Amino acid sequence: AQTVTQSQPEMSVQEAETVTLSCTYDTSESDYYLFWYKQPPSRQMILVIRQEAYKQQNATENRFSVNFQKAAKSFSLKISDSQLGDAAMYFCALDMRFGAGTRLTVKP
Amino acid sequence: KAGVTQTPRYLIKTRGQQVTLSCSPISGHRSVSWYQQTPGQGLQFLFEYFSETQRNKGNFPGRFSGRQFSNSRSEMNVSTLELGDSALYLCASSSGTAVSTGELFFGEGSRLTVL
Repeated sequence: AQTVTQSQPEMSVQEAETVTLSCTYDTSESDYYLFWYKQPPSRQMILVIRQEAYKQQNATENRFSVNFQKAAKSFSLKISDSQLGDAAMYFCALDMRFGAGTRLTVKP
Repeated sequence: KAGVTQTPRYLIKTRGQQVTLSCSPISGHRSVSWYQQTPGQGLQFLFEYFSETQRNKGNFPGRFSGRQFSNSRSEMNVSTLELGDSALYLCASSSGTAVSTGELFFGEGSRLTVL
């Protein structure tokens, strides 16, 4: 069975600082995709970043980057230069399985 | 192009009733998946449909069912509603041949309250 665990229910960061959200997963597949999705308050879920497991290079999208450790089954999201608009629920996903989410607060 | 559309957006039901939620995917998308979102539980996968066939199923009781039509629109039904079914139900569509290979595009959700 595939499982996704996000152990940080809430995180807080100061505007312009860097924050890392953690995610671990379990799967017996050798090839799969990992995702981070963002759900702003009362708004639609959108994709933040995607990582293909067979690619060793960590994915990067502007201020968002991941640290993908395949052997450790770890997939963390780093947000650099945090902005007020980054405040949201962040969900880690493995294929169709999602974690419980991390609520990120950005302090001005 | 238009995004994923879910109807109704809000609904209130009483225990024992049944409910049907609708999801229209992005044009050209053939995969539709459904999720239940509750505080503390994150998103729990209900099922996925592709070309009118249920391809994957989560760990939910048989009261939760779904279907997909030839135009890729999907419906999910919950029968004999329980208080614990109160949640935000999200639908997502994908363009790939497998949900796992592509980005999911989510609707705004249908918020169900069971009294």
